[in-house]
Amino acid sequence: DAMVIQNPRYQVTQFGKPVTLSCSQTLNHNVMYWYQQKSSQAPKLLFHYYDKDFNNEADTPDNFQSRRPNTSFCFLDIRSPGLGDAAMYLCATSTQGGETQYFGPGTRLLVL
Amino acid sequence: AQKVTQAQTEISVVEKEDVTLDCVYETRDTTYYLFWYKQPPSGELVFLIRRNSFDEQNEISGRYSWNFQKSTSSFNFTITASQVVDSAVYFCALRKASGSRLTFGEGTQLTVNP
Repeated sequence: DAMVIQNPRYQVTQFGKPVTLSCSQTLNHNVMYWYQQKSSQAPKLLFHYYDKDFNNEADTPDNFQSRRPNTSFCFLDIRSPGLGDAAMYLCATSTQGGETQYFGPGTRLLVL
Repeated sequence: AQKVTQAQTEISVVEKEDVTLDCVYETRDTTYYLFWYKQPPSGELVFLIRRNSFDEQNEISGRYSWNFQKSTSSFNFTITASQVVDSAVYFCALRKASGSRLTFGEGTQLTVNP
C-alpha cells in the first residue's frame, strides 16, 4: 500500500543535542510538509517543499531545519532541542495541485 | 485571514448514540476546501473527507455523514450509532484553493463509552 512512513515513532534526545527525524513516502507526491503538534493542540505547519523548493513558515524558529534529498525522503533537523520542542512531529504529503494532505503516523519527541 | 472554530472541546457519549461534531469556518476566499481528519490515540492523522466550496451536497459514508452549509459557514460531522473505536480527536480544517497551508480547528475529543 502507498503510504507515508516516519521513523522513529518515538525519539528521546537530550537538551541541546541535535536530532533528526525522517519521513519517506511511496505515494510519489511532490509536496512534503512538516507539522509540529503539542499536547492538546492542533498541528502547526513548520515548512513544506514543492519538489526541491523550500517554503518556511514565518514563525518557524531557526532551530528547525529541513532537507529533502529526493522525492521520497524528507528530514527534519532540530539543531539544539529545548524542552519546549517536545511534541509530536507529523509529516504529510500531497500532489502539487492536490487538495488533500496525507499524514504519516508521527514521531513523538521527548527532550530530557 | 482564515479561521476554523470547533466549539466543542470534548464530547462523551454512550455506544450506539448518534453524535454531531460542529465546525464553523471563516474565509474571504470564494474557492476553498474543507476537511475532516481523525486522530486516534496512536497519533496518526487519518483523512476522512474533503469538500469543495462549490459543492454543497451532503455526503454519507457508512456511519459517517457531513453537512456543509455555506450560508452559515458550517461543515458539521455526524457519526451514527457510535462505537468505541470512534473515540479520537477530530479536526476540521480549511485550505484556500490557491495555497497549501491547512488551517486547523482546535479539535474535538470524542469519547465513546461502552
